[in-house]
Amino acid sequence: DTGVSQNPRHKITKRGQNVTFRCDPISEHNRLYWYRQTLGQGPEFLTYFQNEAQLEKSRLLSDRFSAERPKGSFSTLEIQRTEQGDSAMYLCASSLAGSGNQPQHFGDGTRLSIL
Amino acid sequence: GIQVEQSPPDLILQEGANSTLRCNFSDSVNNLQWFHQNPWGQLINLFYIPSGTKQNGRLSATTVATERYSLLYISSSQTTDSGVYFCAVTRNSGNTPLVFGKGTRLSVIA
Repeated sequence: DTGVSQNPRHKITKRGQNVTFRCDPISEHNRLYWYRQTLGQGPEFLTYFQNEAQLEKSRLLSDRFSAERPKGSFSTLEIQRTEQGDSAMYLCASSLAGSGNQPQHFGDGTRLSIL
Repeated sequence: GIQVEQSPPDLILQEGANSTLRCNFSDSVNNLQWFHQNPWGQLINLFYIPSGTKQNGRLSATTVATERYSLLYISSSQTTDSGVYFCAVTRNSGNTPLVFGKGTRLSVIA
């Protein structure tokens, strides 16, 4: 069990640029979640997948954001035309889906800074 | 949606002291987790505890689901316990997304 892996750990970019983050979940986990955390707040849900299907998107996920999980393994989160308000920590988590509930396990996050 | 309130928002302890952190939630839950976010931003699983009591070393947690609260106990605190403690819940079954509280910021002073 290698844990949830996120890349890059840090990203600094100019306003208006596009950025893409990657998340590799724990290998046997079929649920994958993206959260965003701003300074002084708890993480907030963005979207989640079961296998390759995107099951839910929060209202926080504007049309500049897109997430994919093409083969049901790793996922990418892209932000187009970045704005200063996009500066945050982006967290990925994974879990097993099935009968009952299972804990979610988080990666170390990608910290995005918009100049 | 479900509301999660944590108290206190901030806590300063002398090394070796004990503390209790509280999490109240507004509706019945199927999943409750406690996390520790360290100063580097890593979110570390402490407990998965939708009901009952669990212990792990100096930490223990109790969730009273019928009264909609959970408590996290830290005994003999150490400076490495510093950071933010989050409670997170999900109302629906089947591993739906977590709703987090705003956290309790703990500072342990030597």
